[in-house]
Amino acid sequence: GEDVEQSLFLSVREGDSSVINCTYTDSSSTYLYWYKQEPGAGLQLLTYIFSNMDMKQDQRLTVLLNKKDKHLSLRIADTQTGDSAIYFCAEVSGNTPLVFGKGTRLSVIA
Amino acid sequence: NAGVTQTPKFRVLKTGQSMTLLCAQDMNHEYMYWYRQDPGMGLRLIHYSVGEGTTAKGEVPDGYNVSRLKKQNFLLGLESAAPSQTSVYFCASSLVDRSDGYTFGSGTRLTVV
Repeated sequence: GEDVEQSLFLSVREGDSSVINCTYTDSSSTYLYWYKQEPGAGLQLLTYIFSNMDMKQDQRLTVLLNKKDKHLSLRIADTQTGDSAIYFCAEVSGNTPLVFGKGTRLSVIA
Repeated sequence: NAGVTQTPKFRVLKTGQSMTLLCAQDMNHEYMYWYRQDPGMGLRLIHYSVGEGTTAKGEVPDGYNVSRLKKQNFLLGLESAAPSQTSVYFCASSLVDRSDGYTFGSGTRLTVV
């Protein structure tokens, strides 16, 4: 089946930029998403990108999509302690359910 | 505007007991899903529904049953709970085209002893 891979951990200093990477296998993906999960909470949609786009910017968040390499990244500028969470990459194609990565735990050091 | 509401939030079951988890959404979403989340395993799809009266198996359906009698509700049943079903369960819903992704509930933490 289709697969989404992410590194499990990332640690950055407060004020630095964070870059979380994701690779996927489904070449027919239509939407790709980034979700954030804070401790004890459900997943919250951060942003998404349509597959015909290369980049999307939303305040401190920048999403880059390299469709040729099937690589998605999420850059968080000026990372704050409140950004500490688990970040999930997900993709969807056709009518099938979203496929999620295992999540990247971001730790922000003050 | 409640979004997706899951009940209960916490539950402890003894092995062999049964229970039903309720998911309710008020966004008129057509699709609904049940996931479980375990450490190191990410989110795994249990069952999902593409409309009232329909259900389909996901990645890990064994030991669970579901029903979607009303569009706004999606029930997850455990007929005979096992310790391996100790997990955090999330319900989600979405539009048909998934352009806004999924809206998730806040989860149910289930412990089977």
